[in-house]
Amino acid sequence: KAGVTQTPRYLIKTRGQQVTLSCSPISGHRSVSWYQQTPGQGLQFLFEYFSETQRNKGNFPGRFSGRQFSNSRSEMNVSTLELGDSALYLCASSLGRGSTNEKLFFGSGTQLSVL
Amino acid sequence: TQLLEQSPQFLSIQEGENLTVYCNSSSVFSSLQWYRQEPGEGPVLLVTVVTGGEVKKLKRLTFQFGDARKDSSLHITAAQPGDTGLYLCAGDTRGGSARQLTFGSGTQLTVLP
Repeated sequence: KAGVTQTPRYLIKTRGQQVTLSCSPISGHRSVSWYQQTPGQGLQFLFEYFSETQRNKGNFPGRFSGRQFSNSRSEMNVSTLELGDSALYLCASSLGRGSTNEKLFFGSGTQLSVL
Repeated sequence: TQLLEQSPQFLSIQEGENLTVYCNSSSVFSSLQWYRQEPGEGPVLLVTVVTGGEVKKLKRLTFQFGDARKDSSLHITAAQPGDTGLYLCAGDTRGGSARQLTFGSGTQLTVLP
């Protein structure tokens, strides 16, 4: 069974540009969550999508957005990039049934560098 | 904002030694998870603890959830170089069926041969 796939693996952008990251969850998983990981702030929750609907959202500005497609694949978009957006962006998938013991599977992430 | 404090932040030990990592919060979590992350990879789930006072063992790793479900610990016996990595605790904040994990800042463990 293939794991969570994130593309691209690395990305370099300049301030003011926008970027789109992609995440393909494990087959059969309907929930996709996005996290930002930085050395200073650690892992922070961005948002969660389930059945093409945003089900939960963290405390990030509106420049961060996402969507989920009918096949459960998800994309996140960051507009008007800032230097502080440089981070490892992680996607995680799960069945999404809400069980306390439900396992979360992370992809290897997209390393975004904003110059 | 719910915070999870992990300690120590860095730990460097010799192979064969024992160690304990702590994860503390002022908030109650419905469950708490422990992950290990290696460079260039995403976190990998080690265990989920749900019940206050629960103890789970995974080979040389022992996980404990505090009685009040506000804190947890990870104990590694006879550490090996393969245990090297970033250990993260994460508390589950539930909004209905939605899921939002609050992560601790992590403990970078280095086990020297």
